[in-house]
Amino acid sequence: AQKITQTQPGMFVQEKEAVTLDCTYDTSDPSYGLFWYKQPSSGEMIFLIYQGSYDQQNATEGRYSLNFQKARKSANLVISASQLGDSAMYFCAMRGPNEKLTFGTGTRLTIIP
Amino acid sequence: GAGVSQTPSNKVTEKGKYVELRCDPISGHTALYWYRQSLGQGPEFLIYFQGTGAADDSGLPNDRFFAVRPEGSVSTLKIQRTERGDSAVYLCASSPGRATGANVLTFGAGSRLTVL
Repeated sequence: AQKITQTQPGMFVQEKEAVTLDCTYDTSDPSYGLFWYKQPSSGEMIFLIYQGSYDQQNATEGRYSLNFQKARKSANLVISASQLGDSAMYFCAMRGPNEKLTFGTGTRLTIIP
Repeated sequence: GAGVSQTPSNKVTEKGKYVELRCDPISGHTALYWYRQSLGQGPEFLIYFQGTGAADDSGLPNDRFFAVRPEGSVSTLKIQRTERGDSAVYLCASSPGRATGANVLTFGAGSRLTVL
């Protein structure tokens, strides 16, 4: 069975600082994908970044990067130069060979001006 | 369409009533997913369609829940004899299909169901 663990229920970060959101996962499948989604107060899930289990390099998308440490089974999201609009819930998710995403419980990020 | 469309956005019903929630995926996406999100929780998988058939319905909580996708596009999630515990946001997502790299799921805005 697949499991995603997000141990930070909430985080407060000063605007313009970098922030790391933690995610660990558990799976016995050799092939899997890791995703991060943002959910603002409006409720819609917004895709941020993807990392495949065989990808050699860490994924980056603009201010988002994924710190993928396969041996430790961690896939932390790093947001550089945080902005007020980054305040939202952030979910880590994993997809195995069965194509469905398994989500963690999320981290509520609040950016302080 | 440009995005995943879900209707209604809000539904209030009484315990014991029947409810239908509709999802219109991105045009050309072969895969469609239903998730349920309770307050303060992450989305919980319900069912996944590849084309017209349900490829995985292991997340449906009981036989009061049923979903269809008769023409491989629009899907309807049907809930019979609703209970107060069914209150949640029901999220629909679509993706290009398993043969396409990351196969990113694009989510709709959700249907908020409240059972009184």
